[in-house]
Amino acid sequence: AQSVSQHNHHVILSEAASLELGCNYSYGGTVNLFWYVQYPGQHLQLLLKYFSGDPLVKGIKGFEAEFIKSKFSFNLRKPSVQWSDTAEYFCAAPGGGGSNYKLTFGKGTLLTVNP
Amino acid sequence: SQTIHQWPATLVQPVGSPLSLECTVEGTSNPNLYWYRQAAGRGLQLLFYSVGIGQISSEVPQNLSASRPQDRQFILSSKKLLLSDSGFYLCAWDPGSAYEQYFGPGTRLTVT
Repeated sequence: AQSVSQHNHHVILSEAASLELGCNYSYGGTVNLFWYVQYPGQHLQLLLKYFSGDPLVKGIKGFEAEFIKSKFSFNLRKPSVQWSDTAEYFCAAPGGGGSNYKLTFGKGTLLTVNP
Repeated sequence: SQTIHQWPATLVQPVGSPLSLECTVEGTSNPNLYWYRQAAGRGLQLLFYSVGIGQISSEVPQNLSASRPQDRQFILSSKKLLLSDSGFYLCAWDPGSAYEQYFGPGTRLTVT
């Protein structure tokens, strides 16, 4: 079964600092990977996704993530965070329990950006 | 465009009472549908998923059940709520295998 690990439970940064949130997955077959974001009081929404091709994927609001197959990693990055990036971030991969229908989510990383 | 609705937004129910949470999707047909429970610091736990009308798969044994009476309707139910059923319940859909999922606004359930 797929498992997804997010290494940081809570990250606190000042505005303009650089961000990197770690994500590792366990299943090494064909992998589709996702980062979701949940802003305070809002729906969980897709931030970016990797299906194939260029391992560096760009998402909304200046976020990017790099798929490194040899490390089973899909870390999320942003060069300069803003106060509005305060949110909870979830990494996800399909294939939990032998089915590609399901997404397995990490436990989430709460990002707090101080102005 | 597709939209997903959940209701109610919040619910306070006594222990032992029944539960019915509803999720509907508009603007698509034959979606995969999902129920998750989100707990602080624990991510999203998949409870049920459905790939078609009447087809329900349960992920964890629990006090809850799910049904899909129509193509774009997904219902989460319980005959008798427990305190441990309190939480934030999210419905999601996707158009097929390995596609990204789209989430509803969620229902905050408090069992007292």
